[in-house]
Amino acid sequence: QSALTQPASVSGSPGQSITISCTGTSSDVGAYNFVSWYQLHPGKAPRLLIYDVTNRPSGISNRFSGSKSGNTAALTISGLQAEDEADFYCSSYTGSSPFYVFGTGTKVTVL
Amino acid sequence: QVQLVESGGGVVQPGTSLRLSCAASGFTFSTYSMHWVRQAPGKGLEWVAIVSYDASQEFYADSVKGRFSISRDNSKNTLYLQMNSLRTEDTAVYFCARAPSNRWHVFDYWGQGSLVTVSS
Repeated sequence: QSALTQPASVSGSPGQSITISCTGTSSDVGAYNFVSWYQLHPGKAPRLLIYDVTNRPSGISNRFSGSKSGNTAALTISGLQAEDEADFYCSSYTGSSPFYVFGTGTKVTVL
Repeated sequence: QVQLVESGGGVVQPGTSLRLSCAASGFTFSTYSMHWVRQAPGKGLEWVAIVSYDASQEFYADSVKGRFSISRDNSKNTLYLQMNSLRTEDTAVYFCARAPSNRWHVFDYWGQGSLVTVSS
């Protein structure tokens, strides 16, 4: 089971919207609506942003939204802010070992 | 609030063992399944293992199966990862993460991680 494919980097100016893609296969992303997104700041605990493709946990800004089409999921960050500069990872359930796979990670830069 | 604090990391030689701990607080530990996830230096996240809330089920990534063992002590609100036959490729920051009820595929709270360095 290979890692899900994400762009290595995405950048945008404050206030803009950016989208991070997460491409898997018909055995993981395409098979289940079990895609999640995580934000990692260096030295801090990772934070859950989106689960089950589109759901936001309580306390997560509605500037973060998720979607999926076929084998590709996406995270959109609208109204980009300086604090959004971080690494972002998607994950998916796979149904077989390994049961959970992460994406390759995307570094978001706020210009 | 939910807190997960990992400990036990350090520098060890290849072939040796190490046990990581994850102290949980702010929630009813005994009702949640728990994961270990790792991140090698400069690399992405890799799922390592999961243990069910009652320790009746365990699942592992192929890369650690037979060498690592996940366990928990619900009386101490603590999760463990026993790592044996360590290899240089096991060098990573190890995170513990909580799985919400009925959503084992979600990692809803994480610790800050514990660094394990395997080097001769």
